[in-house]
Amino acid sequence: EVQVVESGGGLVQPGGSLRLSCAASGFTFSTYWMSWVRQAPGKGLEWVANIKEDGSERYYVDSVKGRFTISRDNAKNSVYLQMNSLRAEDTAVYYCARGGYCTTISCWSLWYWGRGTPVTVSS
Amino acid sequence: QSVLTQPPSVSAAPGQRVTISCSGSSSNIGNHYVSWNQHLPGTVPKLLIYENNKRPSGIPDRFSGSKSGTSATLGITGLQTGDEADYYCATWDSSLSAWVFGGGTKLTVL
Repeated sequence: EVQVVESGGGLVQPGGSLRLSCAASGFTFSTYWMSWVRQAPGKGLEWVANIKEDGSERYYVDSVKGRFTISRDNAKNSVYLQMNSLRAEDTAVYYCARGGYCTTISCWSLWYWGRGTPVTVSS
Repeated sequence: QSVLTQPPSVSAAPGQRVTISCSGSSSNIGNHYVSWNQHLPGTVPKLLIYENNKRPSGIPDRFSGSKSGTSATLGITGLQTGDEADYYCATWDSSLSAWVFGGGTKLTVL
């Protein structure tokens, strides 16, 4: 059974940092792109970042570039999101999901998702 | 403003059919596969359709997907009250180098 479990969310002050973790199981982790997606209160889903199977490619939504860093440890079947210089608008539930990349001939849809971890940025 | 455009809401009676549209451009839908996720806030999002029209195991054939040019459509037949949720189209945008979602469509089963 595929499982994706996020952790590390919480309350942080503006300008602060937080590191989210995502532990995956039930599939060959090292052969899949992984993504972070967030949902702010009352808003829709917003993709945040993804990382290639071997970590050699990473992409970010413009609003987090230079502040967030996605990484992975295939030995631990885990993906991480280091969030720095946090702002109130980063407040959201953060989901980890398998997939989130396409080429012109293949696509890795966001297939399996975790339950999410809430992040609140407030003083 | 989302890169992919969906209607904010749709509604229909139980047992009826509804369609949800998703409009994009050549840099996203026009050149990449489209997927659809179902999400009830507070729950785990679920993949309904991948590669334009394929259903993961366990997704009933009441759900269907199609794509034409730079637009995609999700169809749901035999509506049930349990189908009430938010539906999102998504794909890769090669100009933005980003995964993009539609703004989401709230389905109400009257």
